[in-house]
Amino acid sequence: DAKTTQPPSMDCAEGRAANLPCNHSTISGNEYVYWYRQIHSQGPQYIIHGLKNNETNEMASLIITEDRKSSTLILPHATLRDTAVYYCIVRGLSSSGSARQLTFGSGTQLTVLP
Amino acid sequence: ETGVTQSPTHLIKTRGQQVTLRCSSQSGHNTVSWYQQALGQGPQFIFQYYREEENGRGNFPPRFSGLQFPNYSSELNVNALELDDSALYLCASSRNPSGTTDTQYFGPGTRLTVL
Repeated sequence: DAKTTQPPSMDCAEGRAANLPCNHSTISGNEYVYWYRQIHSQGPQYIIHGLKNNETNEMASLIITEDRKSSTLILPHATLRDTAVYYCIVRGLSSSGSARQLTFGSGTQLTVLP
Repeated sequence: ETGVTQSPTHLIKTRGQQVTLRCSSQSGHNTVSWYQQALGQGPQFIFQYYREEENGRGNFPPRFSGLQFPNYSSELNVNALELDDSALYLCASSRNPSGTTDTQYFGPGTRLTVL
């Protein structure tokens, strides 16, 4: 699975949009971009994933560049409860008999400020 | 739909002992993956179970072993505990490991402390 690069930390004002970048320049055609977040000492929470089209759900939007070498997770109206470590993960499809684990990097510590 | 549950929440053991951690997968999921998360680091893949068989393994020694039961729940066993085994152990369940995007959903974790 391709390696990802994220800034170690970001701040965002409460109520504003939080835009978290991720570089994945070695991504291949069948690899998906996943985002998880982890609030202190809890299990990671799935946020969203996508292949090449932009995706939106009730939690966030995922914008993937046309060349797929980078992406941005957008939390449209950040709240204090969105303070967490956000992980961007690139992952291929599972194949018969082969597990597709999640390979976590260091992530981005997002701090939402009041 | 019930989520992934893990037990116990916290556990304290001494070096050399053995420990068993338990995980119940989310309803409708048949695959369980286990991860170890040391303090300040991201989770590291231990192994995955699908249809009661190990379906992939990370860079962990054989003293880390597991089981999956017919109801898709799972156990992680660690023998001969070492101080470095102190970590948050996470279980994640998913629907099907092959040919899909296979989104994994995590439980709250078990915090293991080895003294």
